[in-house]
Amino acid sequence: EDQVTQSPEALRLQEGESSSLNCSYTVSGLRGLFWYRQDPGKGPEFLFTLYSAGEEKEKERLKATLTKKESFLHITAPKPEDSATYLCAVQNSGGSNYKLTFGKGTLLTVNP
Amino acid sequence: DTGVSQDPRHKITKRGQNVTFRCDPISEHNRLYWYRQTLGQGPEFLTYFQNEAQLEKSRLLSDRFSAERPKGSFSTLEIQRTEQGDSAMYLCASSHYEDSPLHFGNGTRLTVT
Repeated sequence: EDQVTQSPEALRLQEGESSSLNCSYTVSGLRGLFWYRQDPGKGPEFLFTLYSAGEEKEKERLKATLTKKESFLHITAPKPEDSATYLCAVQNSGGSNYKLTFGKGTLLTVNP
Repeated sequence: DTGVSQDPRHKITKRGQNVTFRCDPISEHNRLYWYRQTLGQGPEFLTYFQNEAQLEKSRLLSDRFSAERPKGSFSTLEIQRTEQGDSAMYLCASSHYEDSPLHFGNGTRLTVT
């Protein structure tokens, strides 16, 4: 069974204080790893897809990286508007390859 | 691209009542998904449609749950004889190609009293 574990559960940063969120995963065959951002009362918003170890994707202050066991979401010089829950999900390359297995998320709070 | 639309945004019902939610996917997307999310948890897969065909139902989807997607357009999720444990956010998502990312709607928040 696919598993995704995210750490920390919650992270509080000062504006401009860079940090990283971790996503550890167990999957029989990885088709893709996804990062989403979720604001309170809203649905998840797609950020990145990573497909193979060593791959990196960047968007504004966010950079996602992937190894064979985990992914990191690096946040550089965060702003208060980056406050949200960040969700990681994996897609198995097996039979039910349309299904995403999500972690519980990391709640990020950026104080001004 | 107007995004995935879900209706209603909030639903409060009494235990034992039936409820129905609607999802309108992004117009050119032929793949549609339902997920359920409870407080402090990530979304959990419920069911998947490719066009009008329902290709998989999670074991989370008991016999009280039924989903349809007539003509491969909008979808409905019905819960019969609601229980307090059904209280959750019900999320709909759609995608275009096999490897396209899922685009989620803002969900329907169900509260069963």
